[in-house]
Amino acid sequence: AQSVTQLDSHVSVSEGTPVLLRCNYSSSYSPSLFWYVQHPNKGLQLLLKYTSAATLVKGINGFEAEFKKSETSFHLTKPSAHMSDAAEYFCVVSGQRGSQGNLIFGKGTKLSVKP
Amino acid sequence: DARVTQTPRHKVTEMGQEVTMRCQPILGHNTVFWYRQTMMQGLELLAYFRNRAPLDDSGMPKDRFSAEMPDATLATLKIQPSEPRDSAVYFCASGLSPGQGDTEAFFGQGTRLTVV
Repeated sequence: AQSVTQLDSHVSVSEGTPVLLRCNYSSSYSPSLFWYVQHPNKGLQLLLKYTSAATLVKGINGFEAEFKKSETSFHLTKPSAHMSDAAEYFCVVSGQRGSQGNLIFGKGTKLSVKP
Repeated sequence: DARVTQTPRHKVTEMGQEVTMRCQPILGHNTVFWYRQTMMQGLELLAYFRNRAPLDDSGMPKDRFSAEMPDATLATLKIQPSEPRDSAVYFCASGLSPGQGDTEAFFGQGTRLTVV
């Protein structure tokens, strides 16, 4: 069975400092992995996705994530946080085998950015 | 600009009333998801459809919830009778099935339901 674990429920950084949001996954086959962002009272927006091409994936707003199979990780990073990055971030795994394709969401990591 | 459209955006209703939430998926997408988001439980998958057929609705309380796709352009989620514990934001998302393209889902803005 697939699962995803976001290791931190809340991360706080200062503006201009790096961001690291951690995600580990469990899958019996090569998964597709995604990061979504949700700003307060908004829907979910896709930040980036990994679908077995390049292991380093670049997304919108300066975010990127690296797929590390040996560590079963897909951590999200950004070199320099901006106030507008304050939001909740969800790591998501999707199955590709058979007819399934449902998305399994992590519990989310709330990112706070201090001035 | 293709997007998933959900109506209504907000709904306040009294306990016991029927609630119907609607979703228009992105044209051409053959997979539709319904999620519920609460502070306590986070995002929960209620049901999802592939080519209008329900593939998994195990996350949905069957006694009061029902989900349908009358046609490829409309998905509905119905609660009858509604209860205060159903208060949440309900998200619809659509996408393509594996093998037909990228498998990410595109989310609507959600329906914020309050049952009093």
